[in-house]
Amino acid sequence: AQKVTQTQTSISVVEKTTVTMDCVYETRDSSYFLFWYKQTASGEIVFLIRQDSYKKENATVGHYSLNFQKPKSSIGLIITATQIEDSAVYFCAMRDYMTNSAGNKLTFGIGTRVLVRP
Amino acid sequence: GGIITQTPKFLIGQEGQKLTLKCQQNFNHDTMYWYRQDSGKGLRLIYYSITENDLQKGDLSEGYDASREKKSSFSLTVTSAQKNEMAVFLCASSIARDNYAEQFFGPGTRLTVL
Repeated sequence: AQKVTQTQTSISVVEKTTVTMDCVYETRDSSYFLFWYKQTASGEIVFLIRQDSYKKENATVGHYSLNFQKPKSSIGLIITATQIEDSAVYFCAMRDYMTNSAGNKLTFGIGTRVLVRP
Repeated sequence: GGIITQTPKFLIGQEGQKLTLKCQQNFNHDTMYWYRQDSGKGLRLIYYSITENDLQKGDLSEGYDASREKKSSFSLTVTSAQKNEMAVFLCASSIARDNYAEQFFGPGTRLTVL
């Protein structure tokens, strides 16, 4: 079974600095997809960024980037120039292997709560 | 763009009661999902559906039924509510053709069982 582990329960940073959060995963698949989602205080969940396992370069979207270390089964999320509104819970997720290609069965980690303070 | 709506927003039930949660999406997505979120835990998949009238069990399907009446709607039924149960149920959808398609989430239904 696939497994996604986020060991950091919460992180507090000062505004405009960089925050890094960890995620390790377990899979038997040779090809897989890794995602990060953000859940705001209102409960809204939005997709942030994706890493395809066959790509060596780290994905980057805006001030979000990934630190993909395939030999370590690790996919860290880095947020640079943090803003107050980056305060949220961040979930790491992995796409399960499916016998058909339809759908996107994800396994989620338990999340890391980030507080960005002034 | 599109939107996912979930009804009701808050649901209070009694122990043993059968409760139904509804989800509608106008993205025209093929695949829809129901997740459960408990405090301090990640999202756990209950059921998903890759097309109308299709149902697939997730890791947490025991105690639940689901129904995909049409492409745009997906319902979840708690077959017998458990006393003191509290959780948020999240509906999501995605296009089917891509293995890496992002999921779009609804605002959730917050369940409390007295």
